[in-house]
Amino acid sequence: DSGVTQTPKHLITATGQRVTLRCSPRSGDLSVYWYQQSLDQGLQFLIQYYNGEERAKGNILERFSAQQFPDLHSELNLSSLELGDSALYFCASSVAAFPDTQYFGPGTRLTVL
Amino acid sequence: AQSVAQPEDQVNVAEGNPLTVKCTYSVSGNPYLFWYVQYPNRGLQFLLKYITGDNLVKGSYGFEAEFNKSQTSFHLKKPSALVSDSALYFCAFSSNTGKLIFGQGTTLQVKP
Repeated sequence: DSGVTQTPKHLITATGQRVTLRCSPRSGDLSVYWYQQSLDQGLQFLIQYYNGEERAKGNILERFSAQQFPDLHSELNLSSLELGDSALYFCASSVAAFPDTQYFGPGTRLTVL
Repeated sequence: AQSVAQPEDQVNVAEGNPLTVKCTYSVSGNPYLFWYVQYPNRGLQFLLKYITGDNLVKGSYGFEAEFNKSQTSFHLKKPSALVSDSALYFCAFSSNTGKLIFGQGTTLQVKP
């Protein structure tokens, strides 16, 4: 158990819908990262927050947004969902926003029908 | 563009034999390199990292990796493979902000 929690574990929804994925980092970690894992794209970095502020952005679609709240939990919002958004979404956390070990949550498997 | 590459999609090894999973990097500046393992239907687990210091890094579950600057490689090794080591292995490098850029992954199959 990494100490990073993600909910829900599974999510099945229809095209055009909007969903919210939630992540709670390890106690004491200020940095939260979101990654997408799919068969065709592999593991891709989406976005990073550090202590409530956006720190880095990767190949995140405009339909996707995220935020980190004062209690440090983070949410990833995916809207106008398409079939191609079906993937495993991981959250990870680390103590700070410099190169260091990231601890990954178990992931949320999103299926868009 | 900065990247890491894992040239083998799959590595097969017999239990008890040494294993190597290859990773090469193309990174400007200091390379911060990591290995993670993913078991089926699980999240990624940290194995080891190279930030600075000794080129031979020891990690979890008996794994180690050697940082080779001249060959720009960071291969993962284990002296004696176990069937339970069968999983998907990712090499990654970290940018200055900490975000990880992953290789495409290598499936390790250890046969009894």
